[in-house]
Amino acid sequence: IAGITQAPTSQILAAGRRMTLRCTQDMRHNAMYWYRQDLGLGLRLIHYSNTAGTTGKGEVPDGYSVSRANTDDFPLTLASAVPSQTSVYFCASSDSPGNTDTQYFGPGTRLTVL
Amino acid sequence: GQNIDQPTEMTATEGAIVQINCTYQTSGFNGLFWYQQHAGEAPTFLSYNVLDGLEEKGRFSSFLSRSKGYSYLLLKELQMKDSASYLCAVMDSNYQLIWGAGTKLIIKP
Repeated sequence: IAGITQAPTSQILAAGRRMTLRCTQDMRHNAMYWYRQDLGLGLRLIHYSNTAGTTGKGEVPDGYSVSRANTDDFPLTLASAVPSQTSVYFCASSDSPGNTDTQYFGPGTRLTVL
Repeated sequence: GQNIDQPTEMTATEGAIVQINCTYQTSGFNGLFWYQQHAGEAPTFLSYNVLDGLEEKGRFSSFLSRSKGYSYLLLKELQMKDSASYLCAVMDSNYQLIWGAGTKLIIKP
């Protein structure tokens, strides 16, 4: 079944550790996104990529980095995790950037930083 | 700044009708989306409005008034499986989605 996969499903991490959240899509979508979702707040965009080889900063990029080496994969890295990065992280994709295509979401990664 | 407002929580009865409102102030407007999110799951697309008026899709309808910065999602013939959070999101002038915090809808038998 076509879609987006994320790994791990959940993770408990010690503060100061490095962590990479993985995201893979098989829909050949050009654009991919990383969001975090916190209780009482809307989804907030961390980073995005309009096409393979390009990335951009969203609303809350500090402490996170991304890469887009190919169309399918869009990993999110926390270089040195802090407790405020405890959240649910969603990866999403859409067919084309710069237009009104629907975004499709992965199942999410629940991250706890202690 | 950019802002999306929607009620935090609503309660309705199975078989009834419920309207979830969303007001927005954004830099530019390229359409408004409604997503459904069940607890512990990913958001899934429900509807998209870019022109004023009502879009109907089965039991769900979505309305937009651009001049008022206002939208609503109307759910008819409520079922227990409709218990979920409903997220309103506006696409701004940069084609980025600005999200509301979501409305948790509780359906009672």
